[in-house]
Amino acid sequence: TQLLEQSPQFLSIQEGENLTVYCNSSSVFSSLQWYRQEPGEGPVLLVTVVTGGEVKKLKRLTFQFGDARKDSSLHITAAQPGDTGLYLCAGAKNYGQNFVFGPGTRLSVLP
Amino acid sequence: EAEVAQSPRYKITEKSQAVAFWCDPISGHATLYWYRQILGQGPELLVQFQDESVVDDSQLPKDRFSAERLKGVDSTLKIQPAELGDSAMYLCASSLDRAQPQHFGDGTRLSIL
Repeated sequence: TQLLEQSPQFLSIQEGENLTVYCNSSSVFSSLQWYRQEPGEGPVLLVTVVTGGEVKKLKRLTFQFGDARKDSSLHITAAQPGDTGLYLCAGAKNYGQNFVFGPGTRLSVLP
Repeated sequence: EAEVAQSPRYKITEKSQAVAFWCDPISGHATLYWYRQILGQGPELLVQFQDESVVDDSQLPKDRFSAERLKGVDSTLKIQPAELGDSAMYLCASSLDRAQPQHFGDGTRLSIL
C-alpha cells in the first residue's frame, strides 16, 4: 500500500488548458514537496509546503497543502508543452525524517 | 545538467554480473541518498548516508546490494549478482543535511538482460 496516492496517473491535455493533480494520504505530514521529472533526468524540486492550508505560487503553478496536512494539489494554468513531465509529491511525517515519494502523475501537454 | 554527478548514464549487463554506480554529490553536502526508480513509479529510498555513516539502509536488499561513502564525499552503489528485476533508474541525491531540500543527479539507467 502506497503511503502517498497521486491522481490522475496519466493526463494528456492541449496547450492552453488548465489542470489540477492531486496527492493524497491517510497520514499527516509535517511537510510535503512537489517535484517535476523530465524523461532521462532526475527530479527537480518545485516547492515545499509546511503549513496546513498554505498556498504557494510559482509562475503558472499553484500549490496547496490541505488544512489537515494529509493532501495537496498542484494547479497549472494555461499549460505549455514545457510543462510535460512526471509530477511527484513526497511527504515527511516528522521534521528531519526522510521524504517518501508517491507514484507520480505523468502529464503530457500537446501543442 | 545536474550538479550531482552520476556515472555511467546507462548500463546494460547480463544477469549474474556485477554492476557499480558512482555518485559525486554537491560540494559540502553531508547527506547523500541512493534511490531506485522503477518505470512508472516514484523513487524508492535504498540507502542514506550522513557523511561516511549509513543512517538508513532498511530498504536495501543487503544480500546483493552494497553501498559505501568512505571519505564522506563520493559514493558507490554495487549490485552483485544482478537480477532481471534490478532493471530500473538508480538516482543519487544530496542535501546540506537531512532537513534540507534534496538535489538529484540525472541517474543511471540499468538494463539487465
